Amino acid sequence: GESVGLHLPTLSVQEGDNSIINCAYSNSASDYFIWYKQESGKGPQFIIDIRSNMDKRQGQRVTVLLNKTVKHLSLQIAATQPGDSAVYFCAETAGTYKYIFGTGTRLKVLA
Amino acid sequence: SAVISQKPSRDICQRGTSLTIQCQVDSQVTMMFWYRQQPGQSLTLIATANQGSEATYESGFVIDKFPISRPNLTFSTLTVSNMSPEDSSIYLCSVDRTGGETQYFGPGTRLLVL
Repeated sequence: GESVGLHLPTLSVQEGDNSIINCAYSNSASDYFIWYKQESGKGPQFIIDIRSNMDKRQGQRVTVLLNKTVKHLSLQIAATQPGDSAVYFCAETAGTYKYIFGTGTRLKVLA
Repeated sequence: SAVISQKPSRDICQRGTSLTIQCQVDSQVTMMFWYRQQPGQSLTLIATANQGSEATYESGFVIDKFPISRPNLTFSTLTVSNMSPEDSSIYLCSVDRTGGETQYFGPGTRLLVL
């Protein structure tokens, strides 16, 4: 398949290590945030979300942290696996259907 | 989540022609969206397709170039008209089943215009 995000910032992580992917969001009024994973040749896949009344939410091997003071969102992946290799996008919305997507980060998992 | 399919999955087209992309969902949804993802870029919303009304287009996108149909609550089409090489992109549909919150995406249509 084609490569998504050929010119995106890249994070290289050793297999088994933890990954932290960061996102600076733009709208202080945003109240809902989502992380998506996009593998080559596929559409974005929902990973985890968080509302603005929370600062942390955990899923299976993933944790999202929200810092509203500095408008920063992060995705932590524990024990990174080769299958985690993809482009990761954050998205924000301020109570409407309109999502604003971040520029994306390519995660490369090294064996 | 929702099971979303798109047709075609990819196509190579000549400039000046038009291509219609289909999006099918496995259950009824209120809102369907069409996005464009240009090479190396993030996702940009083209328009929102509402059943029973005209699509709502975002700034920079017009109905003459990207006509959209939404005949029922499980199906939508996006046409890319009078294509040029600059239209080469991934076109994605998404749906919202929870009323303005989480959007789920289809697999995308990869379009190359020569």
